[in-house]
Amino acid sequence: DVKVTQSSRYLVKRTGEKVFLECVQDMDHENMFWYRQDPGLGLRLIYFSYDVKMKEKGDIPEGYSVSREKKERFSLILESASTNQTSMYLCASEVNYGYTFGSGTRLTVV
Amino acid sequence: AQSVAQPEDQVNVAEGNPLTVKCTYSVSGNPYLFWYVQYPNRGLQFLLKYITGDNLVKGSYGFEAEFNKSQTSFHLKKPSALVSDSALYFCAVRDKNPGNQFYFGTGTSLTVIP
Repeated sequence: DVKVTQSSRYLVKRTGEKVFLECVQDMDHENMFWYRQDPGLGLRLIYFSYDVKMKEKGDIPEGYSVSREKKERFSLILESASTNQTSMYLCASEVNYGYTFGSGTRLTVV
Repeated sequence: AQSVAQPEDQVNVAEGNPLTVKCTYSVSGNPYLFWYVQYPNRGLQFLLKYITGDNLVKGSYGFEAEFNKSQTSFHLKKPSALVSDSALYFCAVRDKNPGNQFYFGTGTSLTVIP
């Protein structure tokens, strides 16, 4: 089975910090995605990538950037964390037309 | 524009009774349709998908869903609910081009009452 690993389950960061959320998949998939999940809003797409060094903005890219230097790793970067970025962050890799999700990172910005 | 609607934020059902979680969609062309389940503080887990073929799709943990093109619906069903089915359920749609993004519903919280 495909495995998508998010390095942290819970993170607490201070306002203004630069935050890195890491996601690794083990099946050489090309397409990877970052979502944030908030109650009542469902999942919203932040960024996605079709290949190494390629990135596309999703629906809510403001305040975020991404890095994909190797095919298996897709990192989400909060350039200067703010309290409104407190959320659950989900990484996904595309397989057989669908997604495999990581376990999620619950980020709290204080 | 593509979209997914889950009209019920919350569904309660007694253990042993049949359950239905509703989903309708709007997409140009023929869609791929999915159901995912999320347990507290976890990522989403795949339940089932409709790509093509038989309109009745069977998935994990005894769940099934029926693709109804005329009603643009993809309701999730299970004949006999378990307490362990209590979770958050998401319907998702995408079009047929690989790499195109998913569109998720806002989720339905299912509570199975013992």
